[in-house]
Amino acid sequence: DAGVTQSPTHLIKTRGQQVTLRCSPKSGHDTVSWYQQALGQGPQFIFQYYEEEERQRGNFPDRFSGHQYPNYSSELNVNALLLGDSALYLCASTSGVGTQYFGPGTRLTVL
Amino acid sequence: ELKVEQNPLFLSMQEGKNYTIYCNYSTTSDRLYWYRQDPGKSLESLFVLLSNGAVKQEGRLMASLDTKARLSTLHITAAVHDLSATYFCAVDIFMEYGNKLVFGAGTILRVKS
Repeated sequence: DAGVTQSPTHLIKTRGQQVTLRCSPKSGHDTVSWYQQALGQGPQFIFQYYEEEERQRGNFPDRFSGHQYPNYSSELNVNALLLGDSALYLCASTSGVGTQYFGPGTRLTVL
Repeated sequence: ELKVEQNPLFLSMQEGKNYTIYCNYSTTSDRLYWYRQDPGKSLESLFVLLSNGAVKQEGRLMASLDTKARLSTLHITAAVHDLSATYFCAVDIFMEYGNKLVFGAGTILRVKS
């Protein structure tokens, strides 16, 4: 049974560019949440997707957007990248409001 | 606004010693997680505490939850070097639609031999 997977593992972008990160949830899970973890800090909630809709959002600007596909996989898009967007981006999946299981993360570096 | 406070933020301890990490939170929740994170890695789930008075143990780690005091503890018994990592507590917040985890700042644990 595959757990949560994320791609790519690492990514380097320059300021102003756009980036797409991908997440496949654990088998049987229908809900995907995204978190941003800056260096030396705890993860911060970005948003949660369920039934292809964003149902909760944290305190992040509109530059951060997402999508969920019918197979429950999800994307996180960040536009107009800033240096401060450099972080580890974590995807977590769950069934409904159950226990969240985290993926390995994508390390984004913005130069 | 919900706050999750961990202390200490940094803990240096000798092998064989005992210590406790504290996690205080400012709103009602009946579900709390403890995670371990190694440098450059993702979060490894250690414990899920689901109710008041819950206590779970795995090896040298024991976690407890007091929902009335809004306090969770992670107790380390006879520390070994392999326990060196960053430990996070996270409170599960249920909203009208969905839920989210609110994390503490983390406790960096260094076990010296």
